[in-house]
Amino acid sequence: NAGVMQNPRHLVRRRGQEARLRCSPMKGHSHVYWYRQLPEEGLKFMVYLQKENIIDESGMPKERFSAEFPKEGPSILRIQQVVRGDSAAYFCASSPPPYSDTEAFFGQGTRLTVV
Amino acid sequence: AQSVTQLDSQVPVFEEAPVELRCNYSSSVSVYLFWYVQYPNQGLQLLLKYLSGSTLVKGINGFEAEFNKSQTSFHLRKPSVHISDTAEYFCAVSDGSGGYQKVTFGTGTKLQVIP
Repeated sequence: NAGVMQNPRHLVRRRGQEARLRCSPMKGHSHVYWYRQLPEEGLKFMVYLQKENIIDESGMPKERFSAEFPKEGPSILRIQQVVRGDSAAYFCASSPPPYSDTEAFFGQGTRLTVV
Repeated sequence: AQSVTQLDSQVPVFEEAPVELRCNYSSSVSVYLFWYVQYPNQGLQLLLKYLSGSTLVKGINGFEAEFNKSQTSFHLRKPSVHISDTAEYFCAVSDGSGGYQKVTFGTGTKLQVIP
């Protein structure tokens, strides 16, 4: 059973370009969480999704950021018109449905560098 | 709202010595507590979790933590550290809304084990 897969592992974008980060959850997991880790800081919650549904996006910046988890395929975190301040590590975690006695499992992250 | 405070940003300790990494939380409701470890350029791995029951929780790699409700603490301990324990450790809390898996992280403690 493969773990949570994130790709790419490293992504370099110029200011103004779009960044697309992908996350494939563990088999059998229907819920995905995205977190952002800025340099020298802890992880900050961004968004929580179920297939075809955004459950909680309270941590998402109001502009330029969006996330989806389609019925088929990976979850995508999309950042439009990237700026230097978007440089960070973006982690995805997946879990079974809530209230199961199982924690979320994390991927290895995508490190975004905006130049 | 919930929050986590990790009092020490860095903790140097000699190999085979004991270590305690401190974590305090605030929450207006019942809490579920976690410790994660992050090795350089890696994702997060769960060390241990407290959901209910015994307040002394044993995790992987010889780590344990004690939930102290009166002091709102969840300190992580290991009686004898190894070089391989050098990593960053994150304490996290969930209030269970939407499941246990959506967590708020502390800012992390870097454990440096000195040979």
